[in-house]
Amino acid sequence: QKEVEQNSGPLSVPEGAIASLNCTYSDRGSQSFFWYRQYSGKSPELIMFIYSNGDKEDGRFTAQLNKASQYVSLLIRDSQPSDSATYLCAVRPSGGGYNKLIFGAGTRLAVHP
Amino acid sequence: DAGVTQSPTHLIKTRGQQVTLRCSPKSGHDTVSWYQQALGQGPQFIFQYYEEEERQRGNFPDRFSGHQFPNYSSELNVNALLLGDSALYLCASSKRGNSPLHFGNGTRLTVT
Repeated sequence: QKEVEQNSGPLSVPEGAIASLNCTYSDRGSQSFFWYRQYSGKSPELIMFIYSNGDKEDGRFTAQLNKASQYVSLLIRDSQPSDSATYLCAVRPSGGGYNKLIFGAGTRLAVHP
Repeated sequence: DAGVTQSPTHLIKTRGQQVTLRCSPKSGHDTVSWYQQALGQGPQFIFQYYEEEERQRGNFPDRFSGHQFPNYSSELNVNALLLGDSALYLCASSKRGNSPLHFGNGTRLTVT
């Protein structure tokens, strides 16, 4: 069983719409959750991090965490073609060092004009 | 503010050879970790260094080794290269504690 699961996509949304990206994780003791954006051939870029249940907003991005359901999501409002990329969900597992993250395989987002 | 820098950007090696990849952490960061990302997959944790010691290791064989220097920069060494070692190698740095990781641009290693 994979520790962090994401739908591989592609998730296709029209420009200006809300893109919703989802992630589930298996380690119930996980405390820290991250979303990275990765353009093709490039390295992951930190978009959001969330440590507490609920919502966290930063500009057009909102991260949502539900620890009881072991579920993390990322909402992108007013999606732009430049948002087209692979979005990686990462979880810091319990009992591990702070730099050990478990990544999902990523969801490919395509925003079309 | 310099981010995480890695060198070289690309590398082509032959099976059985050895390779060294280098990383300088973001200013103010003292902890470095290395990840391997195969095509179409998420990054996988190799190991983490702080205070010049390996602190945690993922499921990678001993062929993968590293080092951290007093200025917090780091090296990743891979011996006896296999075709399956072809991947993007990512260095990430952070401050000690529960802070986000910031990745460098990576080194693309191709083993032929």
